[in-house]
Amino acid sequence: NAGVTQTPKFQVLKTGQSMTLQCAQDMNHEYMSWYRQDPGMGLRLIHYSVGAGITDQGEVPNGYNVSRSTTEDFPLRLLSAAPSQTSVYFCASRSGGPPSGNTIYFGEGSWLTVV
Amino acid sequence: DAKTTQPNSMESNEEEPVHLPCNHSTISGTDYIHWYRQLPSQGPEYVIHGLTSNVNNRMASLAIAEDRKSSTLILHRATLRDAAVYYCILMKGTASKLTFGTGTRLQVTL
Repeated sequence: NAGVTQTPKFQVLKTGQSMTLQCAQDMNHEYMSWYRQDPGMGLRLIHYSVGAGITDQGEVPNGYNVSRSTTEDFPLRLLSAAPSQTSVYFCASRSGGPPSGNTIYFGEGSWLTVV
Repeated sequence: DAKTTQPNSMESNEEEPVHLPCNHSTISGTDYIHWYRQLPSQGPEYVIHGLTSNVNNRMASLAIAEDRKSSTLILHRATLRDAAVYYCILMKGTASKLTFGTGTRLQVTL
């Protein structure tokens, strides 16, 4: 059972570079989302998706793009990396069913440093 | 979106019970109360959830106030491995946007 898989686990970028954080889930979940977590802080929602072809912005969307062409994959693109985007990124997924049996599954995180 | 409020940090001695509070005064009738915890350098993991009645599982118990405006996560015997940040969130069936607060950082000492 793979669950939610994020790659890469660690990445160092130079300011201005672009990159994509990959996220894949094998649970056929409708909902997927990306969070960032700065040191000593809680999780902040970047973007989310309620299904293939549908995405929307969260609390801190600036500087990031997402797309959802398949149910399984939800990549996060950094368009032009800035030091302020140094953070740990978590991908999460959950089913679209009733919340009585609906739990969120998180990936292990991607540690990104922008120098 | 309905918000939750938790203390920033709490401390406990090992082998003692821990009661982690969460206030959610604007909860709606269809919101489920979920708790997650985040161990150091890991992604959050599910702990427990409930709607109106108290709930027990192998990890913890969840006590929900009668008016549902607050809840308490109970760890019956804290261990060093329970040291983590605990998040209380409200989940609707149709909601697609889930926001996490800063959670409660639990320290467990010998």
